[in-house]
Amino acid sequence: GAVVSQHPSWVICKSGTSVKIECRSLDFQATTMFWYRQFPKQSLMLMATSNEGSKATYEQGVEKDKFLINHASLTLSTLTVTSAHPEDSSFYICSARRPQGSYGYTFGSGTRLTVV
Amino acid sequence: AQKVTQAQTEISVVEKEDVTLDCVYETRDTTYYLFWYKQPPSGELVFLIRRNSFDEQNEISGRYSWNFQKSTSSFNFTITASQVVDSAVYFCALSEAGSGYNTLTFGKGTMLLVSP
Repeated sequence: GAVVSQHPSWVICKSGTSVKIECRSLDFQATTMFWYRQFPKQSLMLMATSNEGSKATYEQGVEKDKFLINHASLTLSTLTVTSAHPEDSSFYICSARRPQGSYGYTFGSGTRLTVV
Repeated sequence: AQKVTQAQTEISVVEKEDVTLDCVYETRDTTYYLFWYKQPPSGELVFLIRRNSFDEQNEISGRYSWNFQKSTSSFNFTITASQVVDSAVYFCALSEAGSGYNTLTFGKGTMLLVSP
């Protein structure tokens, strides 16, 4: 149980366009989801915490107007990279808190974004 | 200061060797969770273990074992008789009660290369 599906797995887009990444909890309700960014050979850096029905909480240095997060339901959070530029190319991973009491996190399989 | 330190950036071993990945953490909370994740080249994060701060028992799971020592704030991970399939980046992570377990702080990761 506690499966998180993320797609697309990879996407190539042109500079200036927007890309939406979806993160779905398949068999549990996730009131809180998290979005991470990972550059090659580096660690995962938390970008924002997504709360169902409210605004996301962004980490310092993350542009909220560029990385739009929507968590409209208990099973879906989306990250939209707006007006993408080559420097936005990265690996994006979402995760969800497992159901209450289990104190664990389930991760999606990640999305590799390449902006050309 | 880093909350989770993985001092070993890269380790190379030959198959069947034992290898220990170090993890040192820093927290003011008395209640926290520690995690180890494996990230193979495909990118997804594979959960390996979660350890509660009140449980200092060492754990063994097949070829994997973990040594949790609160006195030294360490949570080291040993792979016995390593195999080529163990090649991956391994992340140690910390989740603290003070953040409501809403923040998972990762170390920088240790890349393990197991050669035949």
